[in-house]
Amino acid sequence: AQKVTQAQTEISVVEKEDVTLDCVYETRDTTYYLFWYKQPPSGELVFLIRRNSFDEQNEISGRYSWNFQKSTSSFNFTITASQVVDSAVYFCALSGATGFQKLVFGTGTRLLVSP
Amino acid sequence: DGGITQSPKYLFRKEGQNVTLSCEQNLNHDAMYWYRQDPGQGLRLIYYSQIVNDFQKGDIAEGYSVSREKKESFPLTVTSAQKNPTAFYLCASSIGLGQLNTEAFFGQGTRLTVV
Repeated sequence: AQKVTQAQTEISVVEKEDVTLDCVYETRDTTYYLFWYKQPPSGELVFLIRRNSFDEQNEISGRYSWNFQKSTSSFNFTITASQVVDSAVYFCALSGATGFQKLVFGTGTRLLVSP
Repeated sequence: DGGITQSPKYLFRKEGQNVTLSCEQNLNHDAMYWYRQDPGQGLRLIYYSQIVNDFQKGDIAEGYSVSREKKESFPLTVTSAQKNPTAFYLCASSIGLGQLNTEAFFGQGTRLTVV
């Protein structure tokens, strides 16, 4: 069975601090996909990144970066120089790669960035 | 603009009533999904549909029903058999068959409250 664990329920930081959101996953598949989504107060989930299991290169997109480590089954998300607009709930998700696969979500981490 | 529209945004239901949540997409996506979100539990899959006139139960389908008569529409009915329907409901779509595990696009959600 697939499982995603986001142990941090809520994180509070002050603007301009760096913050890392942890994601640990479990799967028996050798090929799988990992995702991060952002849920702002408006409610919809916004796609941030998708990474397949064969690509362990870290990725950077502006102030966002992702660290994928298969050895520890982790896919952590770092926001550099956080801003108030980063305040949201962030979800890590996992899906298999064969056939039609559903997304398995973690329980989310609420990030509060104060000015 | 392409996207997913859910309506209504807020819905109140009396106990014993059935209610239907609307989800429409103009992204030409084959696959559509319904998720339920409860505080501290992340997103759980209710039903999904890979193609018109076909749908499958997700992890928590009891007390819910769906239809997929048109590609762009995937309404969810919360029946009186659903014992605890108060939750936030999110509809999503993805390209689906032939384009495995692309990101899903989400609507802004419907908050259902039983009164």
